[in-house]
Amino acid sequence: EVQLVESGGGLVQPGRSLRLSCTASGFTFGDYALNWFRQAPGKGLEWVGFIRSKAYGGTTEYAASVKGRFTVSRDDPKSIAYLQMNSLKTEDTAVYYCTRPPFQYCSSTSCYLDVWGQGTTVTVSS
Amino acid sequence: DIVVTQSPDSLAVSLGERATINCKSSQSVLYSSNNKNYLAWYQKKPGQPPKLLIYWASTRESGVPDRFSGSGSGTDFTLTISSLQAEDVAVYYCHQYYSPPPGTFGPGTKVEIK
Repeated sequence: EVQLVESGGGLVQPGRSLRLSCTASGFTFGDYALNWFRQAPGKGLEWVGFIRSKAYGGTTEYAASVKGRFTVSRDDPKSIAYLQMNSLKTEDTAVYYCTRPPFQYCSSTSCYLDVWGQGTTVTVSS
Repeated sequence: DIVVTQSPDSLAVSLGERATINCKSSQSVLYSSNNKNYLAWYQKKPGQPPKLLIYWASTRESGVPDRFSGSGSGTDFTLTISSLQAEDVAVYYCHQYYSPPPGTFGPGTKVEIK
């Protein structure tokens, strides 16, 4: 079964850092791009960041709201993607989801997203 | 950037009745070389991750009940729930994936029971 499981969420003070993990199973993780999304309380879905597969350079893209503070990385042998979140703000409070598109070529083009993790909750508060 | 809007923001429908959600993109998401519309629909329930319902504007994801259908082309799309069930209460999002990753999501439409 294809599965993504997020972990690492919790309560953190503003200005501090947190690293989320997205552990994959049931597919060859290294062949696929990976996105991070979030949903703040009472808000819609917001794209956070994206990492291409190594075959497409392993490069990353970020939403303007997190660029310079958040970093997406991947460890293909461990089948894990990471979201390193620095200089956290109260407005980063959200449920964070990792999600995978259906095809390997989706590192070079947009695709729909057919696999989503259950999410992990991040609360930024003093 | 392609902007995606949805209407209405919310709607209340009686059980067994039809629910219709509209999605409009600021540019066409129809790719002429393969004649496919790069438009997907997702269902989001509280406490659950988004669930893919429809892709290529009208292709139902495996396991999705056939009361869900997608239609439209170019810039105007519709998600229809033909006979609303209690378990369909959710927020529905459209997503254009024509532009570079990840594309653009709409703001969502909340569906409730009347």
